[in-house]
Amino acid sequence: QVQLVESGGGLVKPGGSLRLSCAASGFRFSDSFMSWIRQAPGKGLEWISKISQSGNIIYYADSVKGRFTISRDNAKNTLFLEMNSLRVDDTAVYYCARDGLDYDSSGDWFDSWGQGTLVTVSS
Amino acid sequence: QSVLTQPPSVSGAPGQRVTISCTGSSSNIGGAYDVHWYRQLPGTAPKLLIFGHNNRPSGVPDRFSASKSGTSASLAITGLQAEDEADFFCQSYDSNLGVVFGGGTKLTVL
Repeated sequence: QVQLVESGGGLVKPGGSLRLSCAASGFRFSDSFMSWIRQAPGKGLEWISKISQSGNIIYYADSVKGRFTISRDNAKNTLFLEMNSLRVDDTAVYYCARDGLDYDSSGDWFDSWGQGTLVTVSS
Repeated sequence: QSVLTQPPSVSGAPGQRVTISCTGSSSNIGGAYDVHWYRQLPGTAPKLLIFGHNNRPSGVPDRFSASKSGTSASLAITGLQAEDEADFFCQSYDSNLGVVFGGGTKLTVL
């Protein structure tokens, strides 16, 4: 079955950097669009980035554009999120998720989620 | 402040029917973009509940159904059960913002 396992979260100071990883298994990772979605403590969900199978199509939410970089290594079935210039309001559980569609579409959904990794930005 | 507005909480007795609304605007739900629904149990990741035009992933009972009209969408749960207690989120696409979620609704089974 589909399994997504995030890692790399932790405590970081404002202005710092962190790199999250998401190890995928149980499906053809190289055939899937993938996304990162976060959830601040006690709050709702916020989509932050999406990447196509080859990495040639990438989208970011305005809140992270210019600070975060999504990438993937299909040979290692791994999704990444490089986070720079971290702010206190970036504190959240970060989930990687598989997109429901294997093509670029505004009607897409997220059919599998990892368990999440907590990123805390605090001085 | 979420782009899609959901009631913070709803409740119902076992066996009853409840609905959860998701209100948007012309740039998202009203723009004919699909609405999808997720369920999140405490301390766990969200799980897909309904996608597209009222499609349910394998394992989701037909007690859960979705509808959409104008700038709003709704999730209906019939035959409420204790294990239905969870947070529910709607998700759509906004022509200005990209993927957007509702703020979430906590369902309490009385």
